[in-house]
Amino acid sequence: QKEVEQNSGPLSVPEGAIASLNCTYSDRVSQSFFWYRQYSGKSPELIMSIYSNGDKEDGRFTAQLNKASQYVSLLIRDSQPSDSATYLCAVNQGTNAGKSTFGDGTTLTVKP
Amino acid sequence: DGGITQSPKYLFRKEGQNVTLSCEQNLNHDAMYWYRQDPGQGLRLIYYSQIVNDFQKGDIAEGYSVSREKKESFPLTVTSAQKNPTAFYLCASSSLPYMSDTQYFGPGTRLTVL
Repeated sequence: QKEVEQNSGPLSVPEGAIASLNCTYSDRVSQSFFWYRQYSGKSPELIMSIYSNGDKEDGRFTAQLNKASQYVSLLIRDSQPSDSATYLCAVNQGTNAGKSTFGDGTTLTVKP
Repeated sequence: DGGITQSPKYLFRKEGQNVTLSCEQNLNHDAMYWYRQDPGQGLRLIYYSQIVNDFQKGDIAEGYSVSREKKESFPLTVTSAQKNPTAFYLCASSSLPYMSDTQYFGPGTRLTVL
């Protein structure tokens, strides 16, 4: 089992729809969770970070964390073609807080 | 402008050669990281450094070496012992050592072995 697993893609949604990206992790003591967006050929950039159970909203983006289920998700409302990218989930290693483990990413395509 | 720079953007290496990838940051960040990304895959950690003059192996350190003599610089050497080095290499930094914090990435270096 991989330490961080993301739902296999690619994911395709129509413009204006909600895109749902999921991530599960194996280290029960993980404390910090990050979603990065990576456009093709570019480097990742942070979209959201979340540290506590529940929802965290930032504009059209909502991160959801459930530590009991070891599950973190990213919802993108009113999806736009500019949201088309690969989304990477990163989870800190609870026993080594300075080190994060990345999932393989989910590629999202938003069709006009 | 504050940020992370990586050079070169593209690098071609002959088999058996060592090459060094540069990473410099002017963000005054303590922690720095090197990742490798293969097509269609996520980031795999090669080496990381929390403070100057200290670094740790990541998940795929074999065939690579690093140094951290200055806070702002964290060069990565890809040695001839790395059997399949063709990949996209990303350098990142974060503000505090030993903390799980946002990582800021450089633009990357694409290494191709001829």
